[in-house]
Amino acid sequence: GAVVSQHPSWVICKSGTSVKIECRSLDFQATTMFWYRQFPKQSLMLMATSNEGSKATYEQGVEKDKFLINHASLTLSTLTVTSAHPEDSSFYICSAQRGRWRGHNEQFFGPGTRLTVL
Amino acid sequence: AQSVTQLDSQVPVFEEAPVELRCNYSSSVSVYLFWYVQYPNQGLQLLLKYLSGSTLVESINGFEAEFNKSQTSFHLRKPSVHISDTAEYFCAVSPFSGGYNKLIFGAGTRLAVHP
Repeated sequence: GAVVSQHPSWVICKSGTSVKIECRSLDFQATTMFWYRQFPKQSLMLMATSNEGSKATYEQGVEKDKFLINHASLTLSTLTVTSAHPEDSSFYICSAQRGRWRGHNEQFFGPGTRLTVL
Repeated sequence: AQSVTQLDSQVPVFEEAPVELRCNYSSSVSVYLFWYVQYPNQGLQLLLKYLSGSTLVESINGFEAEFNKSQTSFHLRKPSVHISDTAEYFCAVSPFSGGYNKLIFGAGTRLAVHP
């Protein structure tokens, strides 16, 4: 159980276009989803926290108009990179949290989406 | 704010040798501690975690980590590694919260096990 999928697994696009990445929790309802960005040989950097039915909370330095996040249901969150540029090329990873109880709520990670902007 | 430092970016080791991957953290509040593993072309998988209780935690595949509060460390160890342990290992912390468990990751350590 606790499987998270991402689609697409990789995408190549032209500069100036928008790209949408989907994150789905396949066998559980995710009250909260997180979006991370990972540069080559670097760690994961949290971009935003997304709760179902409400606006995402972005980390400092992340442009919310550039990276649009929608969490329309308890099993789906989408990240849209708008007007993508080569510097947006990266590995984007989502995770899903099953509950929202006091204490620790485990996150389950998707396999990631590699975005290359030409 | 929290930060995580993984002191070694790469650790080469021979098969069946012991290994230690070091992790230190900084936080003004109490945190949970984690080790995640990322195999080539795969997503992150939780290896082990410290939430409370015994400071020594173990995984099902022979790894263990010990929480040392005074040294703010959570080093990962395995007494005998296999080729299949070759992967990227990330240490992470999550501050105590009211339900939103943000994870702050270290830069990762690439473990390369050689025959």
